[in-house]
Amino acid sequence: RKEVEQDPGPFNVPEGATVAFNCTYSNSASQSFFWYRQDCRKEPKLLMSVYSSGNEDGRFTAQLNRASQYISLLIRDSKLSDSATYLCVVNVGYGQNFVFGPGTRLSVLP
Amino acid sequence: ETGVTQTPRHLVMGMTNKKSLKCEQHLGHNAMYWYKQSAKKPLELMFVYSLEERVENNSVPSRFSPECPNSSHLFLHLHTLQPEDSALYLCASSRGAGDYNEQFFGPGTRLTVL
Repeated sequence: RKEVEQDPGPFNVPEGATVAFNCTYSNSASQSFFWYRQDCRKEPKLLMSVYSSGNEDGRFTAQLNRASQYISLLIRDSKLSDSATYLCVVNVGYGQNFVFGPGTRLSVLP
Repeated sequence: ETGVTQTPRHLVMGMTNKKSLKCEQHLGHNAMYWYKQSAKKPLELMFVYSLEERVENNSVPSRFSPECPNSSHLFLHLHTLQPEDSALYLCASSRGAGDYNEQFFGPGTRLTVL
């Protein structure tokens, strides 16, 4: 089993839709979790850190379920500018060993 | 607007060349990282430095040699690379060495090995 897995996608949704992505991790000792977005041929940019039971930032909500070892990202009222690849990142609990998932591609259509 | 810069942005080299990638962070961070991103594959962590000491080396071939002269600069020295080493090489930094520190990435160096 891979350390971090994500919905394969791609997700094609109309503007204004709500979309959710899931990410699962295999190491139960993982301590910290992040969502990044990466535009085509650009570097990843931090979208949200996910602490304890989750957090919200405007249209974006991240949830953490430690018992089931997954995190989710919910995007409400999708905008064209939300089109990107969303990367789930897990620190697997020993130092700075950050493991990136393969990413889920989102295309928001007009 | 990024606090992490990388040079060069693009590099084409032959298998017998020696080149170096440079990363500089202007954020006052204490930890720096090298990642490799190949097409259709997740980002792979290569090296981690915390307070200029290497703390992680994820079984990277010796043809990649990192150097961290101070907390603001990180280099990746390249020699006798293979075509499969062609990828986007990303540098990142974080405030500290703990689990909860968010990473900030530079724009990357797109490397092509002929």
